[in-house]
Amino acid sequence: SQQGEEDPQALSIQEGENATMNCSYKTSINNLQWYRQNSGRGLVHLILIRSNEREKHSGRLRVTLDTSKKSSSLLITASRAADTASYFCATRETSGSRLTFGEGTQLTVNP
Amino acid sequence: DAGVTQSPTHLIKTRGQQVTLRCSPKSGHDTVSWYQQALGQGPQFIFQYYEEEERQRGNFPDRFSGHQFPNYSSELNVNALLLGDSALYLCASSLNFGKAFFGQGTRLTVV
Repeated sequence: SQQGEEDPQALSIQEGENATMNCSYKTSINNLQWYRQNSGRGLVHLILIRSNEREKHSGRLRVTLDTSKKSSSLLITASRAADTASYFCATRETSGSRLTFGEGTQLTVNP
Repeated sequence: DAGVTQSPTHLIKTRGQQVTLRCSPKSGHDTVSWYQQALGQGPQFIFQYYEEEERQRGNFPDRFSGHQFPNYSSELNVNALLLGDSALYLCASSLNFGKAFFGQGTRLTVV
């Protein structure tokens, strides 16, 4: 079963705009990771944030983590058409080592 | 440095047949996990191998089995294939609880 829920399920924006995706989860975690997937291909790792971190940046990506609310957000700034993809959050639980994924957000960036 | 490699990329099998999928982890990684991703959904954890043993297992029937070799590569075997086993099968490697790197996946179609 999926632990996480991503919101929204689909997002369509214009190039240059910012895109924000949210993820909620249910259990205690060791870390949370965001992945990108293009058209049913492999997952590309974007960023990892540990449970004791609140914010992390990588290029145009900004991730926040609120462990009290069991939620995370991924912000992509100045979006490009090439950012069009599905984005997934995945949690690594403290009690185990599996990654548990949400259902994903389908992002479409229109040129 | 080669990333995670999976073979084959595509496969068509008939109901009731058996299939073996293969995965070579990223150099330096000792843990291999397998995921099943149905169309339009997030990846679901099947199992994880570490030191040639199954360390953790998801909610999949015994028809799904695996193996890890001394060189850390891994195989996923599925017996008595069902139409519902059609999916993208993803292999991920990591070093303990860190970032998980995914291969491009094997698209299995059961007819």
